[in-house]
Amino acid sequence: EIVMTQSPATLSVSPGERATLSCRASQSVSSNLAWYQQKPGQAPRLLIYDASTRATGIPATFSGSGSGTEFTLTISSLQSEDFAVYYCQQYNNWPPSTFGQGTKLEIK
Amino acid sequence: QVQLQESGPGLVKPSETLSLTCTVSGVSVSSENYYWSWIRQPPGKGLEWIANIYFTGRTNYKPSLKSRVTISLDTSKNQFSLKLRSLTAADTAVYYCVSGAYYFDDWGQGRLITVSS
Repeated sequence: EIVMTQSPATLSVSPGERATLSCRASQSVSSNLAWYQQKPGQAPRLLIYDASTRATGIPATFSGSGSGTEFTLTISSLQSEDFAVYYCQQYNNWPPSTFGQGTKLEIK
Repeated sequence: QVQLQESGPGLVKPSETLSLTCTVSGVSVSSENYYWSWIRQPPGKGLEWIANIYFTGRTNYKPSLKSRVTISLDTSKNQFSLKLRSLTAADTAVYYCVSGAYYFDDWGQGRLITVSS
């Protein structure tokens, strides 16, 4: 089973600034990586798939990059609604598909 | 747009079996190339993929749960279901039904299942 490790666990950023979240895989997952956003009491929402493709309706302020074992989610110019928990997920080697433990993006 | 809604008991006793159903609207569960999945999230923790089923009925399970889990399709009701046996407190979680095999596009709202006597 591939282990996904996200860093940092908590990221404090001011509104209007840029946030950079990292995700590392225990072995190569090629570009088979997705990112999700989860707000309290809600189901996760797909943001990015195939490492860099935005899902339907996701604004261009969200961008993904990376391949192999190192991935980044960048959120430019943070808005109040962007503060949430973010998860990465690999689907290169499944079953099982595996998720990172999450990064909580909080207001500084 | 695919919509999913979980249903089932909110409280289950240890050692018993959990039965959850997901009602799908907007697409047939037997539509070609669709996978249907269950994912769970313990309170305050991360996401865990449990199982999926293909429109053909082919199934995949998380190896560590495989001995306790069954996923199935009911095309007549446009639903898919999860059974999880021999429950313990560690199975307490929000259970989501989801569309997708690789990445997960559409999610149900989630159903909190508490395992307690």
